[in-house]
Amino acid sequence: AQSVTQLGSHVSVSEGALVLLRCNYSSSVPPYLFWYVQYPNQGLQLLLKYTTGATLVKGINGFEAEFKKSETSFHLTKPSAHMSDAAEYFCAVSDVDGNKLVFGAGTILRVKS
Amino acid sequence: EPEVTQTPSHQVTQMGQEVILRCVPISNHLYFYWYRQILGQKVEFLVSFYNNEISEKSEIFDDQFSVERPDGSNFTLKIRSTKLEDSAMYFCASSELRRGGYTFGSGTRLTVV
Repeated sequence: AQSVTQLGSHVSVSEGALVLLRCNYSSSVPPYLFWYVQYPNQGLQLLLKYTTGATLVKGINGFEAEFKKSETSFHLTKPSAHMSDAAEYFCAVSDVDGNKLVFGAGTILRVKS
Repeated sequence: EPEVTQTPSHQVTQMGQEVILRCVPISNHLYFYWYRQILGQKVEFLVSFYNNEISEKSEIFDDQFSVERPDGSNFTLKIRSTKLEDSAMYFCASSELRRGGYTFGSGTRLTVV
């Protein structure tokens, strides 16, 4: 069965600093991996996804993530944090049959001015 | 950009009452899902639906829950007799491809009193 672990339930960075949100997954088959962002009282917005091919994936709002099979990781990064990046971020893996996404517990990103 | 639309955005209901949560998926999508998020907890899979039948359901999705695509555009989640622990944000999602990127709606916040 697939599973996702997000290290750090809360991450705090200064505006302009590097954002690094960690995600490790477990999957018995080549994974499809996703990052979603949730702003307060809103739905889940797809930031980026990895299916096959290039392991460095670029998404919206300047975010990117790198699939590292050897480390079973899919960490999310952004070179320079902006106040508007403050939100909760969820890593997810698609199960074998594609019938569902398995989500991590989420990481709340706080951006300090 | 195409959206998944959910109505209502908020619903308050008395314990034991039936509720129907409505979703309009993206028109060319074939795979439909319901997830829920209890306040402060993970996003949890409830059910997936394809070709007018349930593909998979979680242990949460017991006999109190049902889904329907009544008219080719709407996708509904019915809870027959609500319990206090059904209070959560319910998200509908749709996908064009299996294991593809899911598009989520903005959610319905259900409060059972």
